[in-house]
Amino acid sequence: KAGVTQTPRYLIKTRGQQVTLSCSPISGHRSVSWYQQTPGQGLQFLFEYFSETQRNKGNFPGRFSGRQFSNSRSEMNVSTLELGDSALYLCASSLVQTPYEQYFGPGTRLTVT
Amino acid sequence: AQRVTQPEKLLSVFKGAPVELKCNYSYSGSPELFWYVQYSRQRLQLLLRHISRESIKGFTADLNKGETSFHLKKPFAQEEDSAMYYCALSQGANNLFFGTGTRLTVIP
Repeated sequence: KAGVTQTPRYLIKTRGQQVTLSCSPISGHRSVSWYQQTPGQGLQFLFEYFSETQRNKGNFPGRFSGRQFSNSRSEMNVSTLELGDSALYLCASSLVQTPYEQYFGPGTRLTVT
Repeated sequence: AQRVTQPEKLLSVFKGAPVELKCNYSYSGSPELFWYVQYSRQRLQLLLRHISRESIKGFTADLNKGETSFHLKKPFAQEEDSAMYYCALSQGANNLFFGTGTRLTVIP
């Protein structure tokens, strides 16, 4: 099976812009979670989607949003980018039966200048 | 509030020596705890979970509710164990709360 894929892998944006990141889960995985990884804060949970519905949300401002499509693919959007949004954004998918076993993608490296 | 603490950012041990990566947690409910590992140039992946009580790649971890700890141990470290290790706590089915990680280096 192909692993979790994320596009793009690298992105450079300027402050004030918005960005959309994409994640394709492993075939058959219906849950998709997003994490932000930074040197200072480590890995932080953003949100989780299942069957096109957001089930869980972390402690991030409303500028961070996401959605999931009927084929389980997910996108996350960050509006009005700030310098502090520079991070590696990781997507993870899992099976319904084993939600704790999350399969991570390679991440999208976002740099905000 | 939940918290996962990994006190060591860096840990170096010699090949063949025992290794212990520390993890302490704070959680009001009944915790589910995991260890994830990221080898060089690879993706983050699940190493083990406390419920399974199994040994993976020689590693074991015991949940000690009294000490609120979930330390990862291996009796004889190997060079291929060098990696970044993250302790994680489940706040719900798909919501993982990660520690800041410990980079383990096994010296040949």
